[in-house]
Amino acid sequence: GENVEQHPSTLSVQEGDSAVIKCTYSDSASNYFPWYKQELGKRPQLIIDIRSNVGEKKDQRIAVTLNKTAKHFSLHITETQPEDSAVYFCAAAEDGGSQGNLIFGKGTKLSVKP
Amino acid sequence: DSGVTQTPKHLITATGQRVTLRCSPRSGDLSVYWYQQSLDQGLQFLIQYYNGEERAKGNILERFSAQQFPDLHSELNLSSLELGDSALYFCASSLLVGTGNTIYFGEGSWLTVV
Repeated sequence: GENVEQHPSTLSVQEGDSAVIKCTYSDSASNYFPWYKQELGKRPQLIIDIRSNVGEKKDQRIAVTLNKTAKHFSLHITETQPEDSAVYFCAAAEDGGSQGNLIFGKGTKLSVKP
Repeated sequence: DSGVTQTPKHLITATGQRVTLRCSPRSGDLSVYWYQQSLDQGLQFLIQYYNGEERAKGNILERFSAQQFPDLHSELNLSSLELGDSALYFCASSLLVGTGNTIYFGEGSWLTVV
């Protein structure tokens, strides 16, 4: 089955700096890679996703890049703000997405210091 | 509000007991997923149902079972509870199965086994 590794487990940045979180996946058939943000005690919420036919996708201060050959994808947050502080999870769709269930990385706790 | 409703929000029970967690998916969503989130294990995929049928199985213990009913709500049954079962259990739903169907999470059910 799919296995997703996520690094780093914790990340601390100064407000205004950029943050980068990296993930690798094992199943070359995986073709959908969403990122979820989870604030303390709350549900995970989708912030951006990318499909395997696209190399990069941006949404305001958030961008995701995908390297299918190397089987890794990354989340980039620019001009970080204190409200970006949360746990971020990357995920990959298992079984080439045939069912849609997601396998998640273990999360990155991002702290943005004012 | 994601539209996915989970009950109860909090539950405290003793070891050896059995509990049932309930989930109502977003209106129109046919696929339901269950995830377990404990402190150092991230989001573990348990099981997925689509239109009443089991579609994918993850790391679900034999003591756990689930089902999806004709009205599409789902229940996760946890029996012979152990201290290690204490976790946040999320239900999520998506419209269909397959790649790219956005998965929306409920607020979760906090289970504490004492």
